[in-house]
Amino acid sequence: SQTIHQWPATLVQPVGSPLSLECTVEGTSNPNLYWYRQAAGRGLQLLFYSVGIGQISSEVPQNLSASRPQDRQFILSSKKLLLSDSGFYLCAWTGTGFYGYTFGSGTRLTVV
Amino acid sequence: KNEVEQSPQNLTAQEGEFITINCSYSVGISALHWLQQHPGGGIVSLFMLSSGKKKHGRLIATINIQEKHSSLHITASHPRDSAVYICAVRSYSGGGADGLTFGKGTHLIIQP
Repeated sequence: SQTIHQWPATLVQPVGSPLSLECTVEGTSNPNLYWYRQAAGRGLQLLFYSVGIGQISSEVPQNLSASRPQDRQFILSSKKLLLSDSGFYLCAWTGTGFYGYTFGSGTRLTVV
Repeated sequence: KNEVEQSPQNLTAQEGEFITINCSYSVGISALHWLQQHPGGGIVSLFMLSSGKKKHGRLIATINIQEKHSSLHITASHPRDSAVYICAVRSYSGGGADGLTFGKGTHLIIQP
């Protein structure tokens, strides 16, 4: 069966520090992968999506970047965090074709 | 860009009550998802539907494509149903892996 792993679960980082959040999927190949962010009091917002290794599309210009070094690995990064980067980050995947979304357990990031 | 509106934003009810959460969207879609987010933040996909009605246990989801409206019903509500319920739509696209547009969620509390 397919599973999705996301870590860490919580993270407190100072302003200006780097960020790396990792998401991996098991039990499937060539998934479509997504990074979403949920800011306090707001709905989920798509940040990045990827249809294959090295293929990244950005939905919202920001202080973040994403990479997909392997088929089932999706990484969200920042060189220098801002206070406004605080939020709840979720990784998700879908299969090829038309399938439901499966979400990771999320990372709660607090930038201080 | 699709606009997704949910109502009510907050709902408190007594155990056993019949619950209805509504979702409306502005642009034609290929699918609508109902998601459940528990206090820890993890998100679970409840339903994905593109027409008609689906039922799973005490949960029922309906969609009216012509009216661009969906409802999530909970029968015989229980305190463990307390969570944030999120509506998300997948719009038609000309290509690429489009993600979801999310409503802001309905915070449901079921009191014993």
